[in-house]
Amino acid sequence: TQLLEQSPQFLSIQEGENLTVYCNSSSVFSSLQWYRQEPGEGPVLLVTVVTGGEVKKLKRLTFQFGDARKDSSLHITAAQTGDTGLYLCAGAEGSGYALNFGKGTSLLVTP
Amino acid sequence: DADVTQTPRNRITKTGKRIMLECSQTKGHDRMYWYRQDPGLGLRLIYYSFDVKDINKGEISDGYSVSRQAQAKFSLSLESAIPNQTALYFCATSDPNSRNEQFFGPGTRLTVL
Repeated sequence: TQLLEQSPQFLSIQEGENLTVYCNSSSVFSSLQWYRQEPGEGPVLLVTVVTGGEVKKLKRLTFQFGDARKDSSLHITAAQTGDTGLYLCAGAEGSGYALNFGKGTSLLVTP
Repeated sequence: DADVTQTPRNRITKTGKRIMLECSQTKGHDRMYWYRQDPGLGLRLIYYSFDVKDINKGEISDGYSVSRQAQAKFSLSLESAIPNQTALYFCATSDPNSRNEQFFGPGTRLTVL
């Protein structure tokens, strides 16, 4: 059972555009993580959000955790070709549980 | 040197063969995981181990087995490989004090003919 739904599944935009990807669930998570994966490599952690309503910024990337800790969003401002990759969200129901991953959003940024 | 290493990086085998994928880590983490990744299906958990004496089945453990030889080593075996086990396999580690933030290896691309 896939607890985390990511949307959109695919996104193709031009350099300079803004975009938002979403991660939704009916479950409450103690924390939620975002990873980026480039072709031929393993996923790399971008950020962890813990508190409902929390907003974290990583340069042009803004991550938000929903107030009820069931959903999250990733907003990229002025996308660059280097942002191309697969973005995965993952939630933990508690420290004693393994992570549940969403299926990912595949982002392509063209010049 | 990479913190999480996987061997082999690529493997082509035939149906019915026994295959072992190995994972080693130098991060000193107690928790280790095996995932498979298929196009459109995302990352799915096969097995995980929270310490050397702990082994747990994940979402898709049928057809797989694991061995936690030491804190730093976690291997995945396919006793009798079948074509639908063709996938990208990732090992990951985490520290229980860090909200299970995962550090992934580079992956093993396995093809079963």
